Amino acid sequence: QKEVEQDPGPLSVPEGAIVSLNCTYSNSAFQYFMWYRQYSRKGPELLMYTYSSGNKEDGRFTAQVDKSSKYISLFIRDSQPSDSATYLCAMSGDSWGKLQFGAGTQVVVTP
Amino acid sequence: GAVVSQHPSRVICKSGTSVKIECRSLDFQATTMFWYRQFPKQSLMLMATSNEGSKATYEQGVEKDKFLINHASLTLSTLTVTSAHPEDSSFYICSALTRELGVTDTQYFGPGTRLTVL
Repeated sequence: QKEVEQDPGPLSVPEGAIVSLNCTYSNSAFQYFMWYRQYSRKGPELLMYTYSSGNKEDGRFTAQVDKSSKYISLFIRDSQPSDSATYLCAMSGDSWGKLQFGAGTQVVVTP
Repeated sequence: GAVVSQHPSRVICKSGTSVKIECRSLDFQATTMFWYRQFPKQSLMLMATSNEGSKATYEQGVEKDKFLINHASLTLSTLTVTSAHPEDSSFYICSALTRELGVTDTQYFGPGTRLTVL
């Protein structure tokens, strides 16, 4: 069993819809949770990070962490075609540097 | 956010040659950098952790003699793929760790280097 599970998709939504992404994990030591966006043939770009449980909002993006359920989510409101990319969740425990990545979910926002 | 660059962005080489990839933190100092590889439609796999002034720490299954890492300064780490073979063809991505004021450590990624070994 992988430490971090993420549905690879693809997830196709119409422009303007809410994109809902999630990851589950098995290691209760994880405390730092991130979401990265990766366009094709490019490096990952940090979108959101949260520490422990709770919600965090930044513009159209909302990240949620539920440590009791070992479940994290990313919501993208008012999705745009430019949001089409692969979204990777990542997390780490006491040693921040070593991130465990999910497989990434490919998102396609259609005009 | 912090900017990390990689050079070259793409390289094609013959089997048996060595290839050097540079990773630079442009506007911050990074005592720690990481090297990942990514196969098509797969996630990032950590290869090694590079610390300035000390030997790199390699993940299990990664040959340290094949993937030479040198973290010569606080803004530069290099990965050399020695005697490259077609199975080394992949997307290599580096990241650099920075501690932003009032925030926990954050890892920023470079744009990646696509290596093709013929």
